Amino acid sequence: DAGVIQSPRHEVTEMGQEVTLRCKPISGHNSLFWYRQTMMRGLELLIYFNNNVPIDDSGMPEDRFSAKMPNASFSTLKIQPSEPRDSAVYFCASMAQSNTGELFFGEGSRLTVL
Amino acid sequence: QQPVQSPQAVILREGEDAVINCSSSKALYSVHWYRQKHGEAPVFLMILLKGGEQKGHEKISASFNEKKQQSSLYLTASQLSYSGTYFCGTRVETYKYIFGTGTRLKVLA
Repeated sequence: DAGVIQSPRHEVTEMGQEVTLRCKPISGHNSLFWYRQTMMRGLELLIYFNNNVPIDDSGMPEDRFSAKMPNASFSTLKIQPSEPRDSAVYFCASMAQSNTGELFFGEGSRLTVL
Repeated sequence: QQPVQSPQAVILREGEDAVINCSSSKALYSVHWYRQKHGEAPVFLMILLKGGEQKGHEKISASFNEKKQQSSLYLTASQLSYSGTYFCGTRVETYKYIFGTGTRLKVLA
């Protein structure tokens, strides 16, 4: 079975440009999470969805960040405009409805903003 | 709100034991542990749902003290493959999972 699929794996962009990260969760999973990982802050929860509905976006750092989940098999995280401090690895994770606490992570998107 | 882990980093020789601690200022409803190898995604190790519960996974086990709002991960007779960053996580609301600050573990031959 395919796991959580993220794209792109690596993105290098210039300050001010728009960045879109994509995620395909595991089929049948009802919860989807976006995390940001940096050395200083570890894994930070940005936003999570349940049944395609955003439940809590309090972790989104600024209005420059937005996330959508138009259907059960696709989510995007957008940064517009991007800044150098946004450089990090962004992980998408999904979890089954049973809410066991077992999150399945994608391989991450490493973003570098110059 | 983020759980705090200690130590931040630890270096071991093969065969040595280690303990990683996770504590929270808020009530812990459950604790889960993940391991992340360098350049890879975090991978689930185990979840503890009840206070006082202990679980094992190969030579890696964990305990959960609900009253003290703490959990510990025990690695015995460490192997090279145990190297990585270990995260504790907890559910703070329905479907909301946050992670600790991480502990970097390096096992040397």
